[in-house]
Amino acid sequence: SQTIHQWPATLVQPVGSPLSLECTVEGTSNPNLYWYRQAAGRGLQLLFYSVGIGQISSEVPQNLSASRPQDRQFILSSKKLLLSDSGFYLCAWRAGTSTTEAFFGQGTRLTVV
Amino acid sequence: GQQVMQIPQYQHVQEGEDFTTYCNSSTTLSNIQWYKQRPGGHPVFLIQLVKSGEVKKQKRLTFQFGEAKKNSSLHITATQTTDVGTYFCAGRAQKLVFGQGTRLTINP
Repeated sequence: SQTIHQWPATLVQPVGSPLSLECTVEGTSNPNLYWYRQAAGRGLQLLFYSVGIGQISSEVPQNLSASRPQDRQFILSSKKLLLSDSGFYLCAWRAGTSTTEAFFGQGTRLTVV
Repeated sequence: GQQVMQIPQYQHVQEGEDFTTYCNSSTTLSNIQWYKQRPGGHPVFLIQLVKSGEVKKQKRLTFQFGEAKKNSSLHITATQTTDVGTYFCAGRAQKLVFGQGTRLTINP
């Protein structure tokens, strides 16, 4: 069966520090991968999505970046965090068609202080 | 930018009352999905609608897809405390863009 792992679960980082969140999927190949951010009590903002290795589409211009070095690995990064980067970050995957459900990781709650 | 609009943003009901959330798109959707996110949790898939005018039911939940495939609704009959959470619609093919969600709270 397929599983998605996202870590860490919580993270407190100072302003200006770098960020690296990792997401891996097991039990499937060539998944579509997604990074979302959710501010407290708000909706899901699509940040990046990827349909294949090295293929990254950015939805929101900001100081975040994403990479997909391997088929089932999706990494969200920042060189210098801002206070406004605080939020709940969710990774998701689904099979490579638009008619399949998405499966989410447990999320990372990031607080920038 | 976001092209899937969802209303209302919040809804508070008494237990036993009905609840409805609406999703609207500016363009035709090939399909629409609904997810539920419990407080502190991650979104979990509920259902997908594909056909124009489609109606699907899951116990007390009724999902509809509009004839023009630009809008959808989720209706919960006789809410229970276990229904608390945020309900999202999602569409837009590969991008999987979510609506803003409707946060449902229930007074027991």
